Amino acid sequence: DTGVSQDPRHKITKRGQNVTFRCDPISEHNRLYWYRQTLGQGPEFLTYFQNEAQLEKSRLLSDRFSAERPKGSFSTLEIQRTEQGDSAMYLCASSYPSQGLLYEQYFGPGTRLTVT
Amino acid sequence: AQSVAQPEDQVNVAEGNPLTVKCTYSVSGNPYLFWYVQYPNRGLQFLLKYITGDNLVKGSYGFEAEFNKSQTSFHLKKPSALVSDSALYFCAVRGDTGRRALTFGSGTRLQVQP
Repeated sequence: DTGVSQDPRHKITKRGQNVTFRCDPISEHNRLYWYRQTLGQGPEFLTYFQNEAQLEKSRLLSDRFSAERPKGSFSTLEIQRTEQGDSAMYLCASSYPSQGLLYEQYFGPGTRLTVT
Repeated sequence: AQSVAQPEDQVNVAEGNPLTVKCTYSVSGNPYLFWYVQYPNRGLQFLLKYITGDNLVKGSYGFEAEFNKSQTSFHLKKPSALVSDSALYFCAVRGDTGRRALTFGSGTRLQVQP
């Protein structure tokens, strides 16, 4: 299967700890997105990369959050000093740009974070 | 700012009957509109998109959606519902300028009864 993969699928951590999630996009996709989804809500945009450049960040992305995509392939999302309000599903998506065409975003299965 | 409204938290329909899941949007410029479906413990799956052209868009699994610019709506439809269509459906939008990220609605749970 060559879809978007995310690791880990589930993470339980204690408040104040740091956590890091990984996303591997579809191999030819150079755009990568992170979203957060809480229960009963739709996904909310966090940040977006084109190749290794982080081009857009949401105001939801506080200074405790940092994302990287060092070689333009996989990406990591780190949350420092986790809070209970960070408990959510973290979704990664990727897409392929084209001249004048808009390709849909393909989503991974998500990482469910529980902060206790 | 862009936004999406899905006015129904849940839609119930009998198997074999037509279904409609409603979506209205607000965006600057021309809209790009998407429908995704989410099954339990699975990621969001793309169903269909409207970029330009024909207002009736056909997608996966027999779903279609109608773009109505004057009503700023993009309702999802299917002529004959299946029990297996039961899932959470999300409408999403982005404009043709500015931010590339999608703005999602809060979702509508579709329940198809046998």
